[in-house]
Amino acid sequence: GENVEQHPSTLSVQEGDSAVIKCTYSDSASNYFPWYKQELGKRPQLIIDIRSNVGEKKDQRIAVTLNKTAKHFSLHITETQPEDSAVYFCALDRGSTLGRLYFGRGTQLTVWP
Amino acid sequence: NAGVTQTPKFQVLKTGQSMTLQCAQDMNHNSMYWYRQDPGMGLRLIYYSASEGTTDKGEVPNGYNVSRLNKREFSLRLESAAPSQTSVYFCASSEATGSYNQPQHFGDGTRLSIL
Repeated sequence: GENVEQHPSTLSVQEGDSAVIKCTYSDSASNYFPWYKQELGKRPQLIIDIRSNVGEKKDQRIAVTLNKTAKHFSLHITETQPEDSAVYFCALDRGSTLGRLYFGRGTQLTVWP
Repeated sequence: NAGVTQTPKFQVLKTGQSMTLQCAQDMNHNSMYWYRQDPGMGLRLIYYSASEGTTDKGEVPNGYNVSRLNKREFSLRLESAAPSQTSVYFCASSEATGSYNQPQHFGDGTRLSIL
């Protein structure tokens, strides 16, 4: 089955609004949860990550929250700007396989000026 | 410090032709990966190499082979290309050791079309 489910698949917001993307997973042994941003025609780039011993992490306008009990983690972008428009991927590891990440299918975020 | 370098950037092949995609990293990372990216499917792992001398299958290994030539280089080979292998291919590397996973760093991708 799916290792990680990501929702929504598309998200449109007005500039200045907040955007939230959520991922759910099933493996309780997962410990590492990165988020990647991919602009059109570019490589995926890490924007923030969190480990299982932390519930929340912030970096300027970006934050990630993790709920290990409910097995979900979310990306929060505040005060969105047009340059935030991109595809965002969540990912996670699994305790049984070192070094391997499992990616969600991505969320296309569009920020309208 | 170039990070992860992939060659070529673009390639068009005919069905049945073979080719090798090259990847090199200069970050002294132990682990390297090959993904394919298709619309709506996210990033799917083809093969990975957790350390020099080892390779393992990912989600979609059929039709591909890999070689971890040394710590820096990890190549992906299509022996007999098929139209279903038309995709964007990304190589990545990370310093994953022990039980502690680290971020993966991606190359710029190879856009491959099979006619």
